[in-house]
Amino acid sequence: TQLLEQSPQFLSIQEGENLTVYCNSSSVFSSLQWYRQEPGEGPVLLVTVVTGGEVKKLKRLTFQFGDARKDSSLHITAAQPGDTGLYLCAGDRSGTGNQFYFGTGTSLTVIP
Amino acid sequence: SQTIHQWPATLVQPVGSPLSLECTVEGTSNPNLYWYRQAAGRGLQLLFYSVGIGQISSEVPQNLSASRPQDRQFILSSKKLLLSDSGFYLCAWTSLRRTGELFFGEGSRLTVL
Repeated sequence: TQLLEQSPQFLSIQEGENLTVYCNSSSVFSSLQWYRQEPGEGPVLLVTVVTGGEVKKLKRLTFQFGDARKDSSLHITAAQPGDTGLYLCAGDRSGTGNQFYFGTGTSLTVIP
Repeated sequence: SQTIHQWPATLVQPVGSPLSLECTVEGTSNPNLYWYRQAAGRGLQLLFYSVGIGQISSEVPQNLSASRPQDRQFILSSKKLLLSDSGFYLCAWTSLRRTGELFFGEGSRLTVL
């Protein structure tokens, strides 16, 4: 069983549309991260959120950490083809930076 | 600057054969080290993590093992591969001074036939 469930699993949208990806768990995490992965490569960090209710913006990407630190969302405004990739959330349950558990992944395709 | 390398990049092995994947980190000391496995288009499954030489924590019971013979070297092994061991294996490191950001190697794609 996965600690972190992401939805949707697949998403195909037109360029310019908005989208939201969700990352949910029944466990509490001391911090939560979002990564983006290209085929055949390792994931690359986008953002880390550590405080319940925290909202971070990275250009067209908005990340939110749930008040109870059990869930998170990633919202992309005006998606572009360059946003295509696999988006992964990852949570640190230990608080010591030792145990990072990844979500089930959301594969995003932005069609020009 | 810090770098992480893992090899081999691609491996095709018969069922029952042994496995050894290696990972090394340069430019940092006493990193936390991780082995993950990824099915196609899916999330990463944590297999092993290590906080120091000879200290290995296993997350999933299976026929794989890990060792950390040196501070910046992490090895994933198996004595007899199963078909279900096929996948994309990723090594990663983190330093607590970097607030837990994981840095990944290039990945090793293993196909067991």
